[in-house]
Amino acid sequence: GAVVSQHPSWVICKSGTSVKIECRSLDFQATTMFWYRQFPKQSLMLMATSNEGSKATYEQGVEKDKFLINHASLTLSTLTVTSAHPEDSSFYICSAPTGPARGNPFGSGTQLSVL
Amino acid sequence: GQNIDQPTEMTATEGAIVQINCTYQTSGFNGLFWYQQHAGEAPTFLSYNVLDGLEEKGRFSSFLSRSKGYSYLLLKELQMKDSASYLCAVNKGGGNKLTFGTGTQLKVEL
Repeated sequence: GAVVSQHPSWVICKSGTSVKIECRSLDFQATTMFWYRQFPKQSLMLMATSNEGSKATYEQGVEKDKFLINHASLTLSTLTVTSAHPEDSSFYICSAPTGPARGNPFGSGTQLSVL
Repeated sequence: GQNIDQPTEMTATEGAIVQINCTYQTSGFNGLFWYQQHAGEAPTFLSYNVLDGLEEKGRFSSFLSRSKGYSYLLLKELQMKDSASYLCAVNKGGGNKLTFGTGTQLKVEL
């Protein structure tokens, strides 16, 4: 149990376009989801906390207008990278809290490459 | 502060034992997690400690000392497939919102 599905796995896009990443909890309801970004050979950096039915909470230094988060239902959160630029190229990954025994399962991640 | 420190890289031999350390600042501590991550993949949950002491799960064990702000992950009978990045993460303030350490890249050699 406690599976998180993330889509797409890979995205290559042109500079200036927007990219939407979806994160779904498959067998449980998630009122909260976390979005992380990871650069090569670095650790995960929390970007924002997605809250079902309310605004997302962004970490310091993360542009809320650039990284739009929508948590439309108890099983779906989306991250949209708007007007993407090459410096936005990174591994984006979501996670849902399920209690410490199951260790906050993660989605499979999305590798974004902006040309 | 949020500093969670780990050694950047470690190398060990197949069949051996390796200990990966993690130190953190203790304010607001509410549990510590260890994850394994292979390149390009999602982190996989290994262990969780909230009380002092050792938690054992097969070849993997994790230890916590809350007063010292210190944890370690112990991997026994190392296998080549254990070559990966190991991340410790601290839950500060509840809600399972995790702050990740710098990560340790482990290389297992023959």
